[in-house]
Amino acid sequence: QQPVQSPQAVILREGEDAVINCSSSKALYSVHWYRQKHGEAPIFLMILLKGGEQKGHDKISASFNEKKQQSSLYLTASQLSYSGTYFCGTEGGDYKLSFGAGTTVTVRA
Amino acid sequence: DAGVIQSPRHEVTEMGQEVTLRCKPISGHNSLFWYRQTMMRGLELLIYFNNNVPIDDSGMPEDRFSAKMPNASFSTLKIQPSEPRDSAVYFCATKPDRASTHGIVFGSGTRLTVV
Repeated sequence: QQPVQSPQAVILREGEDAVINCSSSKALYSVHWYRQKHGEAPIFLMILLKGGEQKGHDKISASFNEKKQQSSLYLTASQLSYSGTYFCGTEGGDYKLSFGAGTTVTVRA
Repeated sequence: DAGVIQSPRHEVTEMGQEVTLRCKPISGHNSLFWYRQTMMRGLELLIYFNNNVPIDDSGMPEDRFSAKMPNASFSTLKIQPSEPRDSAVYFCATKPDRASTHGIVFGSGTRLTVV
């Protein structure tokens, strides 16, 4: 089962914040976050393991609520380079990594 | 490290022809995934291998698709016969081991067009 992401798209001005949500109907072992620029392959941002941890990568951070099977990605003080499509990937005990439909982020000057 | 290497980068073929996509994983990466990406369906997991053994192929669309991993350095995804609806970008991705807490590393992808 693929995770569900929201919103589908978001438009920001430089310096604004955004949150992308990811939820799953199955018990999760981990949640991954990736960013894909147009015409390129997805690039790994971070992984969160069950345990409810929060991680950061520059001004991009994420949290994982194991009980709710939900994860959120936080874009803080967005930069032009943050534009792209963000995918969450969820992994259960079978180690299959399934991706959500993606959230397209556009950051404007 | 050269990363995950896929070939060809682009493939245009006629309906009914056989297509073979190739992937060389990062050395030491024992888990390999094949994904297909389209606008309509997003990133779909087709099959994944661990230590050269297919673990889950439930995402393979139909019998026209087959994948092999004859050794730790090479994998192929074959479509025979190809159809226009197979047009997509096919990504190979790898990680050290299926239980690894590393993210997967994607290759540059093969853009397949079936006319």
